[in-house]
Parts: sequence; C-alpha cells; structure tokens
Amino acid sequence: AQKVTQAQTEISVVEKEDVTLDCVYETRDTTYYLFWYKQPPSGELVFLIRRNSFDEQNEISGRYSWNFQKSTSSFNFTITASQVVDSAVYFCALVIQGAQKLVFGQGTRLTINP
Amino acid sequence: DTEVTQTPKHLVMGMTNKKSLKCEQHMGHRAMYWYKQKAKKPPELMFVYSYEKLSINESVPSRFSPECPNSSLLNLHLHALQPEDSALYLCASSQEGRNSYNEQFFGPGTRLTVL
Repeated sequence: AQKVTQAQTEISVVEKEDVTLDCVYETRDTTYYLFWYKQPPSGELVFLIRRNSFDEQNEISGRYSWNFQKSTSSFNFTITASQVVDSAVYFCALVIQGAQKLVFGQGTRLTINP
Repeated sequence: DTEVTQTPKHLVMGMTNKKSLKCEQHMGHRAMYWYKQKAKKPPELMFVYSYEKLSINESVPSRFSPECPNSSLLNLHLHALQPEDSALYLCASSQEGRNSYNEQFFGPGTRLTVL
C-alpha cells in the first residue's frame, strides 16, 4: 500500500520569508510519480509539479523549488520570498505505475501574513 | 484550452431531490475522475472513467451515479442524498499514458449542501 505523510498541518510565516513544506512517501513499487498541488480558498486544485521515481533532479520554477530524495523518500517543496498569494492548502500526492488512484497527503495549510 | 469546467458552482438540495453535477474538458483527455472533498481533508476518489468506460468505483453508495456521455463530458447524478454527503465535488481529467502517468487537471468544484 502507498502512503503520503505531510507532517505539517499548518504553517504561518510573514511575507518574504522562505518556507519549506515537507512530504514523505511510502511505496514498495520502483516506478511511481509524485505531485504537488495547490488549493487556494476558491477550491480548485492547481497542478504544480510532477516528478517520476527515476528523475531525482531538483527543480526550480521561479520562487518555487522541489527537492526529491529517494534515499529518504521525501519530496519537499520550498517557496522562496513568500507572498500573500501563496496562501493556500498544499497537497503532496503519489501514484504508482499502472494505477489511476492518486494517494494524497493530508495537506499543509500555508498562511502568508503581510 | 487547459481548463476543466464544472457546473453548478454551488448546489443546495433536499434529501428527496434529484440533481446532477456536470463536468467538461476539451483537452482531449481520455480519463476523467470524480472526487469528494470534505473540509480540511484531502480529496477522496469516487469514480474513474477511462475511454468512457467506468474503470474504478471506490465503493461509492448507489445514491451517486456517474455517467460519461462522451469523451469530453462527465456527469454525477445525485438522488436521495444524506446531509453527510455535503462536500466539495471535484472533477479532474488526465491523458491516458501506457508507460507514464499524467498529471490530473482539476475543475473548480461544486460545493454541495444537502439539507
């Protein structure tokens, strides 16, 4: 069975601070895919990134960066110079090759205060 | 067009009503999904359609009835719901990849209240 753990239920920081959201996953499969989604108050889940299990390269997209480490089964997400618009619930998710069911973590509610 | 649309945005219904939620995508995706999300919880998968055929039913009560009329449309028919069915209902779509898994794109959801 697969499992995704986001240990941080809520994080609150002041604008312009850097913040890291943790994600730890469990799976026995060797081929799997990891995702981060953002859910603002409007409700829509916005896709941020996909990473497959064979690609451990870290990725940077503007103020967002992701650190994938298979050795620790972690896929952490860092926002640099946070902004109020980053306030949302962020979900980490996992799916194994051949499956259609995304396994979500419980989510981290991020609040950026002005 | 990289958008999944859902109607209505909000729905209030009584326990004896029959209503339908609608979802549409024009990205050429051949997999479509219904999720239910309660407050402060992650989305829970309900149904998956792959090439217009139901491929996953996560033991959802029969008062929820999905329908996929064509590759762009997905409906969720509701009948005799209970107050605990009140939630945000999210639709999503993705490409079907044989050797890879493609990200799901979500619609804005329908916020359902059952009285």
